[in-house]
Amino acid sequence: AQTVTQSQPEMSVQEAETVTLSCTYDTSENNYYLFWYKQPPSRQMILVIRQEAYKQQNATENRFSVNFQKAAKSFSLKISDSQLGDTAMYFCAFMTYNNNDMRFGAGTRLTVKP
Amino acid sequence: DTAVSQTPKYLVTQMGNDKSIKCEQNLGHDTMYWYKQDSKKFLKIMFSYNNKELIINETVPNRFSPKSPDKAHLNLHINSLELGDSAVYFCASSQDSGAKNIQYFGAGTRLSVL
Repeated sequence: AQTVTQSQPEMSVQEAETVTLSCTYDTSENNYYLFWYKQPPSRQMILVIRQEAYKQQNATENRFSVNFQKAAKSFSLKISDSQLGDTAMYFCAFMTYNNNDMRFGAGTRLTVKP
Repeated sequence: DTAVSQTPKYLVTQMGNDKSIKCEQNLGHDTMYWYKQDSKKFLKIMFSYNNKELIINETVPNRFSPKSPDKAHLNLHINSLELGDSAVYFCASSQDSGAKNIQYFGAGTRLSVL
């Protein structure tokens, strides 16, 4: 079974500082994608960043970057220069290439403090 | 224009009733999905449709039935509502099935069964 684990239910960070959210997953597949989705209080699910498993280079999107460790099955999200608008639930998700079953972690609630 | 829209945003109803949640996407995507987010924020896929064919059907009760009149719409019909059906339901769509296609989510429908 494929599972996604987010071990940090809640985190907080001061505005302008950097925070890292952790995610581990379990799979026997080799070909898959990993995702981080953001869910602000508005409830909208927004894709933050994604990583294809065969790519060794870590994905980056402006202030968001990941540390993908395939052997360790770890996929952490780093948010640099945190902004108040980054306050949200963050979900790590996993999906194999040919499967429509996206598996989500339990989420990490991030609060950015002024 | 909203890419994936769900109606209603909020739905309060009594146990035993039948209700529907509508979803429409204007992205020209071929695949649509329904997810359930429970009170602990855990997200789990329920259904996906590709070109009007059901691709996956998780172990959801048969009281839940997805209905797709055309590829831009995937409505969720729920019969004989139970207290445990209270949750936020998200619709999503992607260009095609498979992990390389990004899923775009609607804003969710909060269903409360009294």
